[in-house]
Amino acid sequence: EVQLVESGGDLVKPGGSLRLACAASGFIFSNAWMSWVRQAPGKGLEWVGRIKSKANGETIDYAAPVKGRFTISRDDSRNTVYLQMNSLKTEDTGIYYCTTGWYFDLWGRGTLVTVSS
Amino acid sequence: EIVLTQSPGTLSLSPGERATLSCRASQSVNSNFLAWYQHIPGQAPRLLIYGASSRATGIPDRFSGSGSGTDFTLTISRLEPEDFALYYCQQYGNSPIYTFGQGTKLEIK
Repeated sequence: EVQLVESGGDLVKPGGSLRLACAASGFIFSNAWMSWVRQAPGKGLEWVGRIKSKANGETIDYAAPVKGRFTISRDDSRNTVYLQMNSLKTEDTGIYYCTTGWYFDLWGRGTLVTVSS
Repeated sequence: EIVLTQSPGTLSLSPGERATLSCRASQSVNSNFLAWYQHIPGQAPRLLIYGASSRATGIPDRFSGSGSGTDFTLTISRLEPEDFALYYCQQYGNSPIYTFGQGTKLEIK
């Protein structure tokens, strides 16, 4: 079955760190560009960042609000993409989705991150 | 960075009616690389349209996309009960930054 499953969401204090993972199955993960998208409570979808495939240089880009605090990486041997989140702020609270492709044709169900003291 | 503005913010219609959702870009979207997504809270978002007018796999033909440059439209020809949801447009042509519109809520009248 073609699917993405996110994990790692939790309650964390402001200034803390968290690592999310997204496990892929059912398609050739090593060829896929992977993105993270989030949704804050009551807000719309916001792109967080993307990592290209190894064949495309594994180029990584980030949205301005997370640049310098978040790091995306991938492990093609495990079919998994990661989102390392440091210096977390209350405004980082939300559901974090991983998704594939240039336009996002496959999505996971998301994992909840809550940043609160 | 391209800003996408969706209108209306909320659209109240009845099943069987036609829905027209708008997405306007602050500058021209390269090669019409614009997508539409449906999102039902609690579920994964679903790709409906890519390339401004191409339906994604498995999407019913009552969904259609049109437009070019800075003005794009998602049309649902005859609303089914399961179509009442949030809808987002997104541009992916002006890399490396992807942007979403703020969304349109389609609710039952």
